Amino acid sequence: DAKTTQPPSMDCAEGRAANLPCNHSTISGNEYVYWYRQIHSQGPQYIIHGLKNNETNEMASLIITEDRKSSTLILPHATLRDTAVYYCIVRADTGGFKTIFGAGTRLFVKA
Amino acid sequence: GAVVSQHPSWVICKSGTSVKIECRSLDFQATTMFWYRQFPKKSLMLMATSNEGSKATYEQGVEKDKFLINHASLTLSTLTVTSAHPEDSSFYICSAGGSGGSPLHFGNGTRLTVT
Repeated sequence: DAKTTQPPSMDCAEGRAANLPCNHSTISGNEYVYWYRQIHSQGPQYIIHGLKNNETNEMASLIITEDRKSSTLILPHATLRDTAVYYCIVRADTGGFKTIFGAGTRLFVKA
Repeated sequence: GAVVSQHPSWVICKSGTSVKIECRSLDFQATTMFWYRQFPKKSLMLMATSNEGSKATYEQGVEKDKFLINHASLTLSTLTVTSAHPEDSSFYICSAGGSGGSPLHFGNGTRLTVT
């Protein structure tokens, strides 16, 4: 079963920041938080991941709470092309590396 | 970044025939690959873990004799849907990578339609 909880859908205005929350209250010490997104009829695209510290790359920022029980993906300036389903996943760095997907958040970016 | 290539991107076959889908890691070696299927408006469902040089590990409820997986090299895994039926019509996606905390990378999927 997926170990994360996300809102089913969110709206965001184009040009504004999109903040997507994720709850992973049962996360273990060796589990990373990964974010992927899936645009219709394509395979999932990796966005960002982190263990404890906040992370930033050219696509997004990842804010992980100090207790690691939740995180937020931030798309700083959402565009229409960011409309997609966003998946938050926790996965250990050892073992079988299985990645189990939850339902994700469907983000609609509106003009 | 790491690239995973999947082929074909779409296929239509007749009921009762078999279809093979290929998944290649283009710039890295993958001892483990994963196969997912996805129905419309649903999330990805893990079908099986493909292990190079050994048998695949199937998730509960997935028929191993229907979905044959072969991982003969460090860059190629194949999924064969045997004796396909219309209910096997779906979007099949493979992924590779993920060791040591690194992210998985996904192919662009194969849309299978069984008529």
